[in-house]
Amino acid sequence: AAGVIQSPRHLIKEKRETATLKCYPIPRHDTVYWYQQGPGQDPQFLISFYEKMQSDKGSIPDRFSAQQFSDYHSELNMSSLELGDSALYFCASSLGRALDEQFFGPGTRLTVL
Amino acid sequence: AQSVTQLDSQVPVFEEAPVELRCNYSSSVSVYLFWYVQYPNQGLQLLLKYLSGSTLVKGINGFEAEFNKSQTSFHLRKPSVHISDTAEYFCAVRAAGNKLTFGGGTRVLVKP
Repeated sequence: AAGVIQSPRHLIKEKRETATLKCYPIPRHDTVYWYQQGPGQDPQFLISFYEKMQSDKGSIPDRFSAQQFSDYHSELNMSSLELGDSALYFCASSLGRALDEQFFGPGTRLTVL
Repeated sequence: AQSVTQLDSQVPVFEEAPVELRCNYSSSVSVYLFWYVQYPNQGLQLLLKYLSGSTLVKGINGFEAEFNKSQTSFHLRKPSVHISDTAEYFCAVRAAGNKLTFGGGTRVLVKP
């Protein structure tokens, strides 16, 4: 079965650079979620989209922005990167916003040097 | 707002022994509860979920969990663990809205 695809899987950036993470949800899924997992920490919710509109917002820094496109894929744009942004970034998708299970992608490991 | 507390950060256990991972939550509204497993360098995989109905929930890989509303707990159990169960386990709650709030995780180390 098709799963959530994230690209790239690994990304190395310098401080103050920008990064773009991409997420391709499971076909027919219309809801996308972004989570950030710092080293040795639990995943923290960043933001979510339903039908291309932002549906919920968590602890996402102002330096980050995200959107969901017409084909339901989503991109997380991160600017002025800081060392503390080094983390594993997960994307999850679901069908609808209700109680449906969120299916997680393998994550993008971002390292900021 | 909701929160999740996993009482044990690390649980060592011998192969074929039982294991219980404790999870307590707090929320002012009805909650939906989940357990996820994360193998090294991998994403999160759903083990089981409680949405409503029977308080004993069975999941994949022989895991089960019991929802206890009065104690606000959702402990995860497996009667006999395998080496392959070595992983990090996250309890999560979903209340109003659609985001998941995770506990701090419990690292299970299965020893031969």
